[in-house]
Amino acid sequence: AQTVTQSQPEMSVQEAETVTLSCTYDTSESDYYLFWYKQPPSRQMILVIRQEAYKQQNATENRFSVNFQKAAKSFSLKISDSQLGDAAMYFCAYRSAHAGGTSYGKLTFGQGTILTVHP
Amino acid sequence: DSGVTQTPKHLITATGQRVTLRCSPRSGDLSVYWYQQSLDQGLQFLIQYYNGEERAKGNILERFSAQQFPDLHSELNLSSLELGDSALYFCASSEGGATEAFFGQGTRLTVV
Repeated sequence: AQTVTQSQPEMSVQEAETVTLSCTYDTSESDYYLFWYKQPPSRQMILVIRQEAYKQQNATENRFSVNFQKAAKSFSLKISDSQLGDAAMYFCAYRSAHAGGTSYGKLTFGQGTILTVHP
Repeated sequence: DSGVTQTPKHLITATGQRVTLRCSPRSGDLSVYWYQQSLDQGLQFLIQYYNGEERAKGNILERFSAQQFPDLHSELNLSSLELGDSALYFCASSEGGATEAFFGQGTRLTVV
């Protein structure tokens, strides 16, 4: 079974600064997807960024980028130019890419990291 | 707005009771997933349906059941409720298993 670990229960950053959230995962599969979801106080789960394991290039979405290290099974999220609206709980998630498996489509989440942004 | 609609948004009920949570997926999405978010267990996958059929099962209690109807909406039934069932229940949908899942706003269940 796959596991996802976020070792930082809480992080804080000053507005306009950069912060990196850590995530490690364990899997025996070679094809999979990794995601970062944001959960603001409204509780809505919002997809921030996704990474396909077969792609060596790190995904970027505006101020959000990832550092994907497949051999190390590490998937960190970097938020640049942090804004007050970035304050939220961030979840790292794993999804198998093997069609037909019993875990296909299901997301396995880490425990989350609460990000505080200071003005 | 993700396009996934969950009702009700909040639900307060007593121990031993039964409730039904409803989810309408995004238009065209065939897969529906249910997740439970609690303080002690985090976000846990419960069950997945694809085009009306159960596709995968996670840590779902026997007291819980779900189904997906021909119009693709889904219901999660929780019975013999216990205090520990208090949680945020999310529904998510995707076109299939290979595409992004979009989450509804969740149903906050409080068992008293």
